[in-house]
Amino acid sequence: QVQLVESGGGLVKPGGSLTLSCAASGFTFSDYYMNWVRQAPGKGLEWISYINTFGNYAKYADSVRGRFTISRDNAKNSLFLEIHSLRVEDTAVYFCARDVLAGAGTGAFDMWGQGTLVTVSS
Amino acid sequence: QSVLTQPISASGTPGQRVTISCSGSNYNIGSNFVYWYQQLPGTAPKLLIYGNNQRPSGVPDRFSGSKSGTSASLAISGLRSEDEADYYCTTWDDSLSAPVFGGGTKLTVL
Repeated sequence: QVQLVESGGGLVKPGGSLTLSCAASGFTFSDYYMNWVRQAPGKGLEWISYINTFGNYAKYADSVRGRFTISRDNAKNSLFLEIHSLRVEDTAVYFCARDVLAGAGTGAFDMWGQGTLVTVSS
Repeated sequence: QSVLTQPISASGTPGQRVTISCSGSNYNIGSNFVYWYQQLPGTAPKLLIYGNNQRPSGVPDRFSGSKSGTSASLAISGLRSEDEADYYCTTWDDSLSAPVFGGGTKLTVL
């Protein structure tokens, strides 16, 4: 079954840290650029990061650069997002998403996980 | 403020045809493919249109996409109650070297 399953969300105090995981199955994970996209409550979608197939290049949105780190373990078909210095405005559902095109980063996503909620509150 | 501009809302009655616009610039829509997502309440987004006007397998042909210059549109014909959802356009932005989303359009089926 082709799917992405996120985990690791929860309630965190401002300034805290969290690591999100995304487990991939049903496809050759190492062939695809992977992304994290978030959605604040009642708001639109915001792309926050992507990582290339080898895991040696990543890009971040300005809103998270320096605080978030994306990584992947192709041997374990897993994607990660380390989040530090959390702010109230980071409260959102975080989705992992697969690029539509194998071997390239097009910025479009044909497979999404169900999302994991991160709530930042004191 | 989203890089791509969409109307906040749209509506139609069952059977009608509705269109949702997405406006950008030469750095994004004007030079890259446009994609559309449908997000039903409480679910993850679903790819609806890729490559400006192509439908993934399983997407009804009631949904169609188009692009002209720095704008794109999603058209839904034969509107159904199950089409009530949020719709997002997205494309690559060459100046940001990153994907950008529209703010989303909430479609209501009256």
